[in-house]
Amino acid sequence: NAGVTQTPKFQVLKTGQSMTLQCAQDMNHNSMYWYRQDPGMGLRLIYYSASEGTTDKGEVPNGYNVSRLNKREFSLRLESAAPSQTSVYFCASNDRLRETQYFGPGTRLLVL
Amino acid sequence: ELKVEQNPLFLSMQEGKNYTIYCNYSTTSDRLYWYRQDPGKSLESLFVLLSNGAVKQEGRLMASLDTKARLSTLHITAAVHDLSATYFCAVSLLTGNQFYFGTGTSLTVIP
Repeated sequence: NAGVTQTPKFQVLKTGQSMTLQCAQDMNHNSMYWYRQDPGMGLRLIYYSASEGTTDKGEVPNGYNVSRLNKREFSLRLESAAPSQTSVYFCASNDRLRETQYFGPGTRLLVL
Repeated sequence: ELKVEQNPLFLSMQEGKNYTIYCNYSTTSDRLYWYRQDPGKSLESLFVLLSNGAVKQEGRLMASLDTKARLSTLHITAAVHDLSATYFCAVSLLTGNQFYFGTGTSLTVIP
């Protein structure tokens, strides 16, 4: 039982490049989330998916897109990376409305 | 806009001492969560508080919730070095599926 997995663990991009962060969970959870963590700002919600086939914007969605590929997988795409998107990205999941979340190990992204 | 504020942001305490971390939030919520994050690691769930007056304890940590005051506390008893970490509180609204996090409290326990 791997829980929530994320790939890659680290990534360096140049401004303007694109990439997709992958997230998968094996706990049969309905809801999945993408957060970014910046120093002194806690975690901020980028997008979430309450169930397969649905996605909604969170607090800081600009510059990102998401895809809920199936119940297990929820990907985050940066179409044209900017230095302001340098951050640590966490994926999380939970199985019922407002139950506690389980977090992946994070992806550390540096945009030059 | 929902705001979640923690204080202090940084806390340095000696082993064996007691201290409290405070979490205030700006709108009605009946669920409050506490997480721990070690440096360079992910977040680990500590407590879920589901109703006014809820109190939960695990080892040297005790969390409580006062929904009327919109306040949760995380009390540390007789701190030990292993408790050094960053602690986050988070709330979810009565409706919707979003979680809102505080900025975190970085705790360092000094021998």
